[in-house]
Amino acid sequence: AQSVTQLGSHVSVSEGALVLLRCNYSSSVPPYLFWYVQYPNQGLQLLLKYTSAATLVKGINGFEAEFKKSETSFHLTKPSAHMSDAAEYFCAVESNFGNEKLTFGTGTRLTIIP
Amino acid sequence: DVKVTQSSRYLVKRTGEKVFLECVQDMDHENMFWYRQDPGLGLRLIYFSYDVKMKEKGDIPEGYSVSREKKERFSLILESASTNQTSMYLCASRAPGRTGELFFGEGSRLTVL
Repeated sequence: AQSVTQLGSHVSVSEGALVLLRCNYSSSVPPYLFWYVQYPNQGLQLLLKYTSAATLVKGINGFEAEFKKSETSFHLTKPSAHMSDAAEYFCAVESNFGNEKLTFGTGTRLTIIP
Repeated sequence: DVKVTQSSRYLVKRTGEKVFLECVQDMDHENMFWYRQDPGLGLRLIYFSYDVKMKEKGDIPEGYSVSREKKERFSLILESASTNQTSMYLCASRAPGRTGELFFGEGSRLTVL
């Protein structure tokens, strides 16, 4: 079965610093991968997705992620953190069973230090 | 603007009560999902539905059932609530295709006393 592992349940960065949130996937076939963000007291919303069209994927709010097959990784980055980026971030992988369900990682809570 | 609406943001129930969590989407999506969110465990799939009256168990279906009588509405039912079902419940519907986006509701926080 497909799965994703998010390293680091909590990450703190200073405002203006690089944001790096890690996600590694386990898959026997090329996967479809997603990053979602959850702001406080809200549901999740899509940041970006990898669909095999390009290995570097750009999303909303200045985030991007790079698919690296050799490392089975799909890490999320942003060059300069903003206070409004404080949220919980989830990596997800599409199941290959044809029923279109996503399997989520355990999440990483991002704190921005002023 | 696309919307997934969950009927209750906060509920407090007693052990043994029957609990209904309602979810409505206005995007005409076929696929709908119920997830449970707990700290440190991320989102875990309880049930999903790929058509009216069609449902499949997710990863943690025990203690839950679902109902989908109309395409836009997907209900989660706790037949006899227990304290270990205290959690945040998230409903989602999905755009078609394997790369389709999941649209989430704001969540229903259930406390079982």
